[in-house]
Amino acid sequence: EAGVAQSPRYKIIEKRQSVAFWCNPISGHATLYWYQQILGQGPKLLIQFQNNGVVDDSQLPKDRFSAERLKGVDSTLKIQPAKLEDSAVYLCASSTTAGTGGGYGYTFGSGTRLTVV
Amino acid sequence: AQSVAQPEDQVNVAEGNPLTVKCTYSVSGNPYLFWYVQYPNRGLQFLLKYITGDNLVKGSYGFEAEFNKSQTSFHLKKPSALVSDSALYFCAVSPRGGFQKLVFGTGTRLLVSP
Repeated sequence: EAGVAQSPRYKIIEKRQSVAFWCNPISGHATLYWYQQILGQGPKLLIQFQNNGVVDDSQLPKDRFSAERLKGVDSTLKIQPAKLEDSAVYLCASSTTAGTGGGYGYTFGSGTRLTVV
Repeated sequence: AQSVAQPEDQVNVAEGNPLTVKCTYSVSGNPYLFWYVQYPNRGLQFLLKYITGDNLVKGSYGFEAEFNKSQTSFHLKKPSALVSDSALYFCAVSPRGGFQKLVFGTGTRLLVSP
């Protein structure tokens, strides 16, 4: 099966600019996650969708970050305006409704590396 | 709150020698435990997972992990390391039930020398 697709692979922007990342999960996966991985740290959950609805966005900086999942399939994560500390790899993952209880748990995309200068 | 500790930033081992990457966790109840591997410019790849049952879990590429409930540990092991095993390894924990999220450790870089 096709994996989780993310684009772009790399993005360099200046602080205070806006940026958007796109994710296409594995077909049929109801749950979609966005993780932020800062250099030297483990990935941290930003937001979790179950179909169209948000399940957990407690660690999403809502003053500058937003995310949507239209029609329960693709998702977009936006940052506006970006700060230097937003430099990180943004990982998208998807899973069945079994979540981490399912066979392989999550399937991760390759990520988008964002550099804010 | 859930948490995962990976006490070693880096583990060095010679090819052919056994390797251990340490992980301890803190979570209420009985968790799911995972190991993922990350190669440069790649996403996280699933290695293995503990759900229940046998405390020794076997996974991909010859890796295995031992679940120790009393020590709240889930150390990753491999009997004979390969140079190609050099990568960044993450331990993660998830509670059971509900809309689970993965909580990751800070990662351990494994360097296998020829």
